[in-house]
Amino acid sequence: ETGVTQTPRHLVMGMTNKKSLKCEQHLGHNAMYWYKQSAKKPLELMFVYSLEERVENNSVPSRFSPECPNSSHLFLHLHTLQPEDSALYLCASSQDRETYNEQFFGPGTRLTVL
Amino acid sequence: GQNIDQPTEMTATEGAIVQINCTYQTSGFNGLFWYQQHAGEAPTFLSYNVLDGLEEKGRFSSFLSRSKGYSYLLLKELQMKDSASYLCAASDSNYQLIWGAGTKLIIKP
Repeated sequence: ETGVTQTPRHLVMGMTNKKSLKCEQHLGHNAMYWYKQSAKKPLELMFVYSLEERVENNSVPSRFSPECPNSSHLFLHLHTLQPEDSALYLCASSQDRETYNEQFFGPGTRLTVL
Repeated sequence: GQNIDQPTEMTATEGAIVQINCTYQTSGFNGLFWYQQHAGEAPTFLSYNVLDGLEEKGRFSSFLSRSKGYSYLLLKELQMKDSASYLCAASDSNYQLIWGAGTKLIIKP
């Protein structure tokens, strides 16, 4: 069974739409992350949740709104996005945030904003 | 500021050896990760180094020099399936991963 799942895999939306990305991890991890991956650029950390509490928000525009209802689920709510927000959005989880641990990534959602 | 540098692209021949270098500058340091990412897929963990030296894991090895802010990933007996992007990431004092842009490795027959 895949450890981290994401839906949808592909999303096309207009700038006035509202949509949500979903991530679920089946690994019993305590930390979850949202990343943005643009072509030929480093992964950009957007949000970090540890034990369902947000601990990092790297100056992400308010048009991106995360939600972590429990330790297994993470959402990214999108509204009034811009074309430059088109990218691959990756969710990841790790056992804990503070100690050494590898991050397990989901397959990503390929987002296109028209 | 915090920064990771790695080559954009490398080409190697099937069966050969390739070394992918990574230099890092971070506020504090809690280890260096390497991930592999095939096109259209999720990154997957390859290795972690926190102490100086070489860590070997099958065909893949990773080296770290903390004093030089330098790491490399060594891939031996290259196979076509090794064609992928290789991402270097350093963990800073807050355990946040600072990522490089990735090195696209092209394997030719």
